Amino acid sequence: QLQLQESGPGLVKPSETLSLTCTVSGGSISSSGYCWGWVRLPPGKGLEWIGSVYYTGNTYYNPSLKSRVTISVDTSKNQFSLKLSSVTAADTAVYFCARQDSSYGWYGDFWGQGTLVTVSS
Amino acid sequence: SYEVTQPPSVSVSPGQTASITCSGDNLGNNYASWYQQKPGQSPVVVIYQDYKRPSGIPERFSGSNSGNTATLTITGTQAMDEADYYCQVWDSRSVVFGGGTKLTVL
Repeated sequence: QLQLQESGPGLVKPSETLSLTCTVSGGSISSSGYCWGWVRLPPGKGLEWIGSVYYTGNTYYNPSLKSRVTISVDTSKNQFSLKLSSVTAADTAVYFCARQDSSYGWYGDFWGQGTLVTVSS
Repeated sequence: SYEVTQPPSVSVSPGQTASITCSGDNLGNNYASWYQQKPGQSPVVVIYQDYKRPSGIPERFSGSNSGNTATLTITGTQAMDEADYYCQVWDSRSVVFGGGTKLTVL
């Protein structure tokens, strides 16, 4: 069974860079037909897609966050990572990583448990 | 950028049918997926590719997508179905989520 696990600091200071890693187990991040994405859930709000990456390194970003987001993949470690720069309190959210089926609408079929990141000084 | 719209809330009595809509321009031209999310949990896909149910999802969940509207239908709604539901589409190289619908079973 595929499993995804987010890791990274739970507290980030304003203006700094949020960094998270998603470790994939029980399957290969290099599987064709899938991409690997980040989604967040701010408190009291709805799900927001941040961006996705193929194992080849090709990336797709939410236009509203594109200027601050970098997503990368490390196939040797079966991991992919998120960096979000110049964070503010509005970036406080539970961050999820997910596998997305890129053949039929990029839906997320496997998700991590999520990790809360708070932006505060 | 593409947008999809959901009603903020839907209420249903136990055993009745709940319908949650997702509206967007020519939405029927894109695959729609639906997620169930309960407090403190990760989203779970209940419908993908407009109408397909993943293994383990009860048959009472069904989906359709045509014209400008995708619909998630829960037939014989149970108390355990109370949750937030999100539609999601892929358009122009972006994943787009609806704002979410809180389903209340009362």
